Amino acid sequence: KQEVTQIPAALSVPEGENLVLNCSFTDSAIYNLQWFRQDPGKGLTSLLLIQSSQREQTSGRLNASLDKSSGRSTLYIAASQPGDSATYLCAADTGGFKTIFGAGTRLFVKA
Amino acid sequence: NAGVTQTPKFQVLKTGQSMTLQCAQDMNHNSMYWYRQDPGMGLRLIYYSASEGTTDKGEVPNGYNVSRLNKREFSLRLESAAPSQTSVYFCASSELDGTYGYTFGSGTRLTVV
Repeated sequence: KQEVTQIPAALSVPEGENLVLNCSFTDSAIYNLQWFRQDPGKGLTSLLLIQSSQREQTSGRLNASLDKSSGRSTLYIAASQPGDSATYLCAADTGGFKTIFGAGTRLFVKA
Repeated sequence: NAGVTQTPKFQVLKTGQSMTLQCAQDMNHNSMYWYRQDPGMGLRLIYYSASEGTTDKGEVPNGYNVSRLNKREFSLRLESAAPSQTSVYFCASSELDGTYGYTFGSGTRLTVV
């Protein structure tokens, strides 16, 4: 059974710092890995989607990498800003309409 | 604006009451999903509809029913609400089976007392 883990559960950093959020999954047989952002009381906003054949995706200050063999994905945020404060979730698509979500990392960027 | 629309945004029910959560998407997506989100846990799939006219159970279907009314709309019904169903419910849609990712609604915060 696929399990997705995000560590740490919460992270506080000063503004301007580069940071890495981690996502690990137990079964490497995934079709894609998606990163989402969730603001308090809001829905999930898709940030980046990495297909299983890809190693990374970039959007602005965000870069996500995928290493299926080690069961890991990372989300790199460059030059963090207070507006980046949110919960970040990763989700592994295992096929058959089944996607497993991590519990998220709650990020707080201090001004 | 294109996206997934959920109603209501908030609801308080008494134990035993029933209600239906509504979801509509205007992206012409084939597949739709209902998830619940509980503190400290990832989203868990309740039901999904791979295409119009089909529905299937997810990880936590007990206590829920769904209807895929047409390609745009997918509703979730609680027949007899229980305190364990207090949660935030999200509807999502995807073009196919999630290969190209998901689009989520803004959620319904449900409290059962």
